Amino acid sequence: HSALTQPPSVSAAPGQKVIISCSGTDSNVGHNYVSWYQQFPGAAPKVLIYDDNQRPSGIPDRFSGSKSGTSATLDIVGLQAADEADYYCGTWDSRLSVVVFGGGTRLTVL
Amino acid sequence: EAQLVESGGGLEQPGRSLRLSCAASGFTFDDYAMHWVRRVPGKGLEWVSGISWDSGNIVYADFVKGRFTVSRDNAKNSLYLQMNRLETTDTAFYYCAKAEEAMVQTGLFDCWGQGTLVNVSP
Repeated sequence: HSALTQPPSVSAAPGQKVIISCSGTDSNVGHNYVSWYQQFPGAAPKVLIYDDNQRPSGIPDRFSGSKSGTSATLDIVGLQAADEADYYCGTWDSRLSVVVFGGGTRLTVL
Repeated sequence: EAQLVESGGGLEQPGRSLRLSCAASGFTFDDYAMHWVRRVPGKGLEWVSGISWDSGNIVYADFVKGRFTVSRDNAKNSLYLQMNRLETTDTAFYYCAKAEEAMVQTGLFDCWGQGTLVNVSP
C-alpha cells in the first residue's frame, strides 16, 4: 500500500470543481512540502504544484494546492476534458528517509 | 531547457541484471540530486532511489535494497541504475527525475524523462 492515501478516482462534469485529497503522517505531509503531479497515459509525470501551494510557470491558476496538518488537497476548478489524467501527491518522509507518493487518483471528466 | 533521456530497458529473465542510464542536458547536472521512479503498468508511481549531487547521500526504497545500485557520473552528465537479481515485480516503466535541489531530501521533481520499460519475465 502507498504511504500517502488518495482516493482512487474522482469525476465531475466540465466546468465543475474537483478536490483530490492526500493524507499522510507527521513525518511526511505534516513535516515536509507536498508536490502534486499530473500524468497522462504514455507520458512522463509533470509537476502541477510544489511547496504545498505554488504553481510552476505555465500551470493554469485553475489548479491550486493547500495543506493542513497531515492532509493536502489539490483543487481543480473549471474542469476541462483535457484534465483527464492521473494525479499524484508526493513528499519526503523524514522518519523513513524515503520519498513517498500517494497511490494516484484517476480524474474523469464526465 | 532541461532534458532527461533514459535507456537500457528491455526484456530480461528473473534473476538476471540490467543497467539503466539517464543522459541529462540543458542544466548544470552536478548542482542537483537525481532520482529513479517507476510505474508498474496499471498501478501508481513508486519511488526507487535517490542520489545527492556529489553521490555522498544515497537512499533506496526498501524493496530494492541490496539488489539495485544507483550511481552518477557528473563528468558525463549521466545517472545510472544497476538492477541485479531482477524479479517479475520489477516490471515497470522506469523514469529518471531531477530534484529541485542538491540533496535527496525532497519530493519535488521538476524534470522527468520519458521512461524506459523494464520487462522481467521467464
